[in-house]
Amino acid sequence: NAGVMQNPRHLVRRRGQEARLRCSPMKGHSHVYWYRQLPEEGLKFMVYLQKENIIDESGMPKERFSAEFPKEGPSILRIQQVVRGDSAAYFCASSLGQRGTEAFFGQGTRLTVV
Amino acid sequence: KQEVTQIPAALSVPEGENLVLNCSFTDSAIYNLQWFRQDPGKGLTSLLLIQSSQREQTSGRLNASLDKSSGRSTLYIAASQPGDSATYLCAVSPTGANSKLTFGKGITLSVRP
Repeated sequence: NAGVMQNPRHLVRRRGQEARLRCSPMKGHSHVYWYRQLPEEGLKFMVYLQKENIIDESGMPKERFSAEFPKEGPSILRIQQVVRGDSAAYFCASSLGQRGTEAFFGQGTRLTVV
Repeated sequence: KQEVTQIPAALSVPEGENLVLNCSFTDSAIYNLQWFRQDPGKGLTSLLLIQSSQREQTSGRLNASLDKSSGRSTLYIAASQPGDSATYLCAVSPTGANSKLTFGKGITLSVRP
């Protein structure tokens, strides 16, 4: 049973380009969470999704960021018109259920904006 | 708003020492607490999960305790080894509808041979 798979592992974008980060949850998991880890800071919650639904996006920046988790395929975190401040490690986690179940994390995507 | 604090930010110990990593949180209304390990440039590995109704969990040389009323958790590592060198993160999930985690900034542990 493969773990949470994120790709790409490393992504370099020029300012103004779009970044698309993918996350495939563990088999059987239908709950996905995205977190961002900025340099010298802890992980911060961004968004919580279930299949075809955004449950909680209270941690998402208001502009340029969006997330989806379609019925088929991976969850996508999309950042439009990237800026240098978006450079960070983005982690995806999945869990089996809703309350209190253990979260399993992917290896992360390290985004560098040049 | 929940805040999780881990102090100190870094710790260096000689091999073989038993050590305790501390975590504190401001809102005791948590559903569970998890300890993670993160190696440089890598993802997070879950070490232990303690439900709010539990007092401690053990896995091998690791033991995590939880005192929910005082907002504290400790991770005890017995007989530390150089391979234990990593950043250790504490995270809590709230009561309520989802399991989003609030993380501390982590403690970077270095075990010297």
